[in-house]
Amino acid sequence: DTGVSQNPRHKITKRGQNVTFRCDPISEHNRLYWYRQTLGQGPEFLTYFQNEAQLEKSRLLSDRFSAERPKGSFSTLEIQRTEQGDSAMYLCASSLALLYGYTFGSGTRLTVV
Amino acid sequence: DAKTTQPPSMDCAEGRAANLPCNHSTISGNEYVYWYRQIHSQGPQYIIHGLKNNETNEMASLIITEDRKSSTLILPHATLRDTAVYYCIEQTGANNLFFGTGTRLTVIP
Repeated sequence: DTGVSQNPRHKITKRGQNVTFRCDPISEHNRLYWYRQTLGQGPEFLTYFQNEAQLEKSRLLSDRFSAERPKGSFSTLEIQRTEQGDSAMYLCASSLALLYGYTFGSGTRLTVV
Repeated sequence: DAKTTQPPSMDCAEGRAANLPCNHSTISGNEYVYWYRQIHSQGPQYIIHGLKNNETNEMASLIITEDRKSSTLILPHATLRDTAVYYCIEQTGANNLFFGTGTRLTVIP
C-alpha cells in the first residue's frame, strides 16, 4: 500500500460546473477525512467518515458539497455549481484512529475560472 | 474551534536543533497536542503527538509544560528537507483536528 491516493491532482473548471474528486485511503484505515486548504491557510476540516457512515460535517460543507464513501473504501467529494470561492486544495486523509495520526494524500487542486 | 498560537516564521541553521514553540492555553485535560508539517505542494505529514509526558520518535521530540499550556517541538539536527510549515494542533473533539496557520520553518545552509 503506497498511502492515500487522490485523483485528479489538478482540476480546472468553469464556474457553474460540477466536479468530483476521488480519494483512495490506506486499505486498513476505517476513518476517512476531507479537508480544504486555501493559500496561506492551514487545512480546514470538511467531513469525516467511519467506514461508510458520514459521522461529522463542518458548517463549511454547504449544500453544494456532498461526500460519499460507499462500502467503506474509497470516497468521493462532489461540488455542484462551482463558484470561484471553491478554488482550493482539497485534501483527503485516513487513519486507524485519531490517536494514530492521519495519513494525508497529496490533494486535488481545484481552480474555478 | 480550539486555538493554538505559533510564531509565523522561524529560521534555523542546517545541522542545529530547531525548537518550535506553541501555546495552547485553551487545551483541556484529556485533549492531545499534535504536530504535523507540510512541505510545499504536499499534504500534511504527521510528526508526533502527546498528552502530558514528553515524547520522542524517529522524527522529533515533543516537550509539554507541566501545566500543558504550551509545548515545543524539537528537530534535533535540522536538514534542508525539514523546511516546511509546522502545525501545532489541539484535538477538537472526537473526530477532527483544527490546524491553524502554523510556523514556516526555513532551514538555512
